[in-house]
Amino acid sequence: GDSVTQMEGPVTLSEEAFLTINCTYTATGYPSLFWYVQYPGEGLQLLLKATKADDKGSNKGFEATYRKETTSFHLEKGSVQVSDSAVYFCALPPNAGGTSYGKLTFGQGTILTVHP
Amino acid sequence: GAGVSQSPSNKVTEKGKDVELRCDPISGHTALYWYRQSLGQGLEFLIYFQGNSAPDKSGLPSDRFSAERTGGSVSTLTIQRTQQEDSAVYLCASSLSGTTPYEQYFGPGTRLTVT
Repeated sequence: GDSVTQMEGPVTLSEEAFLTINCTYTATGYPSLFWYVQYPGEGLQLLLKATKADDKGSNKGFEATYRKETTSFHLEKGSVQVSDSAVYFCALPPNAGGTSYGKLTFGQGTILTVHP
Repeated sequence: GAGVSQSPSNKVTEKGKDVELRCDPISGHTALYWYRQSLGQGLEFLIYFQGNSAPDKSGLPSDRFSAERTGGSVSTLTIQRTQQEDSAVYLCASSLSGTTPYEQYFGPGTRLTVT
């Protein structure tokens, strides 16, 4: 079945450091891919997405490129800030190419802490 | 506009009691989802509604869990005879449709603690 694997966390960085959070997936076809973020005390919100291979999603300085050859969607940011401290989830919908998208399958989440 | 709302925000209940959790999706969103977030299990899908029907209930962990949606809007998740392992944050999300990969908008969650 479909699955998402994220790098083990937590990740602790100093402000202005470079961030990479790895995400790989197993799915049929070429699904859309999402990164969601959960800030402390808040609900999940969509950070960025890519709907087809080689697409690059970007938002708030974060980027992720959909690589079908490596089935990956790694999240990157060139210079993190304290305000980026949150939990990050990679996610994909089921049945790519099918008619029902329904639930999202989430990775296990990566806790990011950025120190000043 | 208004986002997804959930009530209550926190619920503490004794083992064996029944609880009802409520979700109000964004107006006009036909798809509604329930997830559970717990320390050991991460984010788990529970059930998906398209309109008032539930084409995917595969994530409900046992027959103590049920959910319904009425009028294509409000949904309630009911847990009967709660157990300690039911303690988690229950998240509701909605999207324009479940038949295309539209963004899912999440509510703030209900934190359930079973004592």
